[in-house]
Amino acid sequence: DADVTQTPRNRITKTGKRIMLECSQTKGHDRMYWYRQDPGLGLRLIYYSFDVKDINKGEISDGYSVSRQAQAKFSLSLESAIPNQTALYFCATSRGLAADTQYFGPGTRLTVL
Amino acid sequence: SQKIEQNSEALNIQEGKTATLTCNYTNYSPAYLQWYRQDPGRGPVFLLLIRENEKEKRKERLKVTFDTTLKQSLFHITASQPADSATYLCALDMMDSSYKLIFGSGTRLLVRP
Repeated sequence: DADVTQTPRNRITKTGKRIMLECSQTKGHDRMYWYRQDPGLGLRLIYYSFDVKDINKGEISDGYSVSRQAQAKFSLSLESAIPNQTALYFCATSRGLAADTQYFGPGTRLTVL
Repeated sequence: SQKIEQNSEALNIQEGKTATLTCNYTNYSPAYLQWYRQDPGRGPVFLLLIRENEKEKRKERLKVTFDTTLKQSLFHITASQPADSATYLCALDMMDSSYKLIFGSGTRLLVRP
């Protein structure tokens, strides 16, 4: 089984709808991240959590919110989706050590019409 | 703020040749630099990490160099194979003691049979 899973894998929704993307991990890592990826822009950090009680905004948090329900679960919500939130969304985890590497989920392709 | 530059144009090479990808950064020299591989529709996968005090790192057919004077890392794949075709991302630590990463937008490598 995959260490980092994301649901759904694909989602098409309409402007104004509320959407939740979910991430689960079995790696036992404290740190979890949400990124979005757009062509030519690379991965941009939306939110990150260093443990269940520690949640922080990344560089592009406007229009998004998160919830860390447990060490293993980190959800990303779009309260009122807009078309420019159409992107590929990735969840990642890490141990929180120096020279940390990140482990990514398979991604969610979100289309907002 | 730190900027990472990777060639946005795809690198197209013949099987068996050495592929060389470039990652340039503009501001502070990071404590370490990482390279990831991303296949279409998949999450990035960690390949190699090199620290600021290391000139070169190798893993099988992969080699990474790190030149803090030039503010550049080179990623080499020797004896390239069509299976090496993917997008390669470099990532730097944010130098804020958080161990978060900044990712480049990646360079796509195409290896022709």
